[in-house]
Amino acid sequence: SQELEQSPQSLIVQEGKNLTINCTSSKTLYGLYWYKQKYGEGLIFLMMLQKGGEEKSHEKITAKLDEKKQQSSLHITASQPSHAGIYLCGAEQSGYALNFGKGTSLLVTP
Amino acid sequence: GAGVSQSPRYKVAKRGQDVALRCDPISGHVSLFWYQQALGQGPEFLTYFQNEAQLDKSGLPSDRFFAERPEGSVSTLKIQRTQQEDSAVYLCASSSSLTAAGDFNYGYTFGSGTRLTVV
Repeated sequence: SQELEQSPQSLIVQEGKNLTINCTSSKTLYGLYWYKQKYGEGLIFLMMLQKGGEEKSHEKITAKLDEKKQQSSLHITASQPSHAGIYLCGAEQSGYALNFGKGTSLLVTP
Repeated sequence: GAGVSQSPRYKVAKRGQDVALRCDPISGHVSLFWYQQALGQGPEFLTYFQNEAQLDKSGLPSDRFFAERPEGSVSTLKIQRTQQEDSAVYLCASSSSLTAAGDFNYGYTFGSGTRLTVV
């Protein structure tokens, strides 16, 4: 199955700072999904990328998929405490499932 | 309802006990997924239903795990003779899309999960 590596594993940033989370695949990505999870809750869909070089933004979060479709990055501008949580990338695999990375835990301090 | 509802939120089971976890998807969603999330890990796929048909159960870790969705709406995940390694959060997700990974604009809608602790 497709392995997804996320980096960093955890991140602590000061409020107002920018940050980037990376997701790297061992195989070509045909659909890359970003989700956010707060502790004890389910996953919330952020964005989905399909095409090489594609970039999408929602509020202060921007996600990109590289041209080779093996790496995606999630960038948060001017972080807020509300951005805290676990960010997970997921990729379509054969069959009917999404395969997820282990997640990046983000803490935003005042 | 407005979202995916899972019950119970928390379940403590003694080793060897059988448990049943319920998922109430968004009304009309044809696709339903179960995932298992161990502490500090990403969710791992267990099984997928399209309406009442279980199209993929390749992720179920053993024959102690069984899932059903008899009328194409509510789903139950049953674990027989629970073991300590079954301790995890069990997430249910639904989607109106028939594609493998959900709607391009909305993805899946996940429930809050059931946290199972086997003691």
